Amino acid sequence: DAMVIQNPRYQVTQFGKPVTLSCSQTLNHNVMYWYQQKSSQAPKLLFHYYDKDFNNEADTPDNFQSRRPNTSFCFLDIRSPGLGDAAMYLCATSWHGGMTDTQYFGPGTRLTVL
Amino acid sequence: GQQVMQIPQYQHVQEGEDFTTYCNSSTTLSNIQWYKQRPGGHPVFLIQLVKSGEVKKQKRLTFQFGEAKKNSSLHITATQTTDVGTYFCAGFTSGTYKYIFGTGTRLKVLA
Repeated sequence: DAMVIQNPRYQVTQFGKPVTLSCSQTLNHNVMYWYQQKSSQAPKLLFHYYDKDFNNEADTPDNFQSRRPNTSFCFLDIRSPGLGDAAMYLCATSWHGGMTDTQYFGPGTRLTVL
Repeated sequence: GQQVMQIPQYQHVQEGEDFTTYCNSSTTLSNIQWYKQRPGGHPVFLIQLVKSGEVKKQKRLTFQFGEAKKNSSLHITATQTTDVGTYFCAGFTSGTYKYIFGTGTRLKVLA
């Protein structure tokens, strides 16, 4: 089945220790998104790629970076995690990112910062 | 900036009762989508509304898009325990060219 996969499902890191979260898709979608979702809050878009074009949200901290080496994979790098970065990180994909496009979410990676 | 608010934030209902969540945008939307997120899960697409005043039904779920395309609602008839979760609306505007998620309504259904 075509799907969006995130690894790991749970990640524990130490304050200030870099961490990388992974997302892969078999849907062959052009767009890949990274969202941060804190407890009882809505998903907050961090950035997205349309193919190789990177689109950063204005309020995304510099501490968050992303890489998309090919169509299938996208990575979220947190350079120096702080306690406030503990959250669920959701990867999503869509065909073209425009109006009427549906986003398909992965299961998420829950990040704990000690 | 654009805001999409949902009310209520939480709702507890007895199984069999009806439930409604309302979604309100500060700006006119091109279209709106609804997602359901089960506890511990990820958002799953439910439906999309595009036209002003549009009404769509999925079994016990009824979705409406306001005439001014600034609000929407999701109504569930005769809730079941499987309806438990958080319901998010997500509005798309041509100005931002992205979806903004609403604040969500968490539904608990008591058996």
